[in-house]
Amino acid sequence: EDKVVQSPLSLVVHEGDTVTLNCSYEVTNFRSLLWYKQEKKAPTFLFMLTSSGIEKKSGRLSSILDKKELFSILNITATQTGDSAVYLCAVVRDDKIIFGKGTRLHILP
Amino acid sequence: DTGVSQDPRHKITKRGQNVTFRCDPISEHNRLYWYRQTLGQGPEFLTYFQNEAQLEKSRLLSDRFSAERPKGSFSTLEIQRTEQGDSAMYLCASSLAADSTVTDTQYFGPGTRLTVL
Repeated sequence: EDKVVQSPLSLVVHEGDTVTLNCSYEVTNFRSLLWYKQEKKAPTFLFMLTSSGIEKKSGRLSSILDKKELFSILNITATQTGDSAVYLCAVVRDDKIIFGKGTRLHILP
Repeated sequence: DTGVSQDPRHKITKRGQNVTFRCDPISEHNRLYWYRQTLGQGPEFLTYFQNEAQLEKSRLLSDRFSAERPKGSFSTLEIQRTEQGDSAMYLCASSLAADSTVTDTQYFGPGTRLTVL
């Protein structure tokens, strides 16, 4: 059965810290891996990863995929209170997306 | 606003009633997806359309659930004889698929929060 597992499920850090969120997957017919940020509304798109070893960056956020070990990480440096959210990892297979349960990140001021 | 829109944003109903939700995708997107999300869980895939054709339905979608996209634009999701377990956020997303190449990024609407009393 296809599955996407995120860890940790929740994380509390202080503003300015760096965090690493993990996503491992077992999915047949893998096409791509997506990261989303979800606050008190619908998920918003962050990154799409299709190739191993190529880092995607957007400001303080970066992500990389390892297709051999079947995992991805999302890094956030110099965290700010506005980074508090649930971060969702999702794997696209065929024409369907399978989501993990998310990592709830809380940044303390 | 040219993003995905959903209506209503909130719906409270009594058990046994029927409810219908609407989703308007991004105008040039030909794929439309429905998800259900409960507290502490990631979104769960329900069904998706390419244009007006419903191409896949999850086994989560019981016979009480039906979705349509009659003209390949907006879609409706109907739940008949609602149960308390149907209480959840119902998310709609759209994406663009051109020929055999699928643009995998899905853009989500704000969701419809359903509460069944």
